[in-house]
Amino acid sequence: AQSVTQPDIHITVSEGASLELRCNYSYGATPYLFWYVQSPGQGLQLLLKYFSGDTLVQGIKGFEAEFKRSQSSFNLRKPSVHWSDAAEYFCAVSGDSWGKFQFGAGTQVVVTP
Amino acid sequence: DGGITQSPKYLFRKEGQNVTLSCEQNLNHDAMYWYRQDPGQGLRLIYYSQIVNDFQKGDIAEGYSVSREKKESFPLTVTSAQKNPTAFYLCASSIPASQETDTQYFGPGTRLTVL
Repeated sequence: AQSVTQPDIHITVSEGASLELRCNYSYGATPYLFWYVQSPGQGLQLLLKYFSGDTLVQGIKGFEAEFKRSQSSFNLRKPSVHWSDAAEYFCAVSGDSWGKFQFGAGTQVVVTP
Repeated sequence: DGGITQSPKYLFRKEGQNVTLSCEQNLNHDAMYWYRQDPGQGLRLIYYSQIVNDFQKGDIAEGYSVSREKKESFPLTVTSAQKNPTAFYLCASSIPASQETDTQYFGPGTRLTVL
């Protein structure tokens, strides 16, 4: 069965610093991978997704993610965070069965001045 | 503008009452989903529907019911059998033309509180 682990529950980063959020997945074949962001009390917004091809994926809001099959990882990065990036971030995997997404528990990002 | 709407944004329920959460989409998506979100647990799938008049149980369907009479609507009823219904409920939809293109888009959510 597919599963997703986000090892970091909470990350604090200074404004302007770089950010990396970790995501590890468990799945037998090539998974379909997603990163979503959620502001407090809001729904989830899709940041980026990986299906195939180039393993470095560009998304919205200046985010990118790299698929590394050897490490079963799909880490999210941003070179310079803004205060508006404070939110909760979810990694998700699909592929085991149609329509069934597995979400990680989320990483809460706090941005300090 | 196309999108997914959920209503109400906040809902309060007394113990023993059934309540229905609304989810409507005008994206012409075939598939729709209901998730429950609790702090520190991510999203858990309650029910999903791939086409009209068909739906499947997700991982935590007990105490919930759904219907899919129209393509654009997928209401969720939280019944009195749900032991701990206080949570944030999210509705999502997706096309999907194929599993490779299956991407879920989310509504703004409904926060249900049992008094």
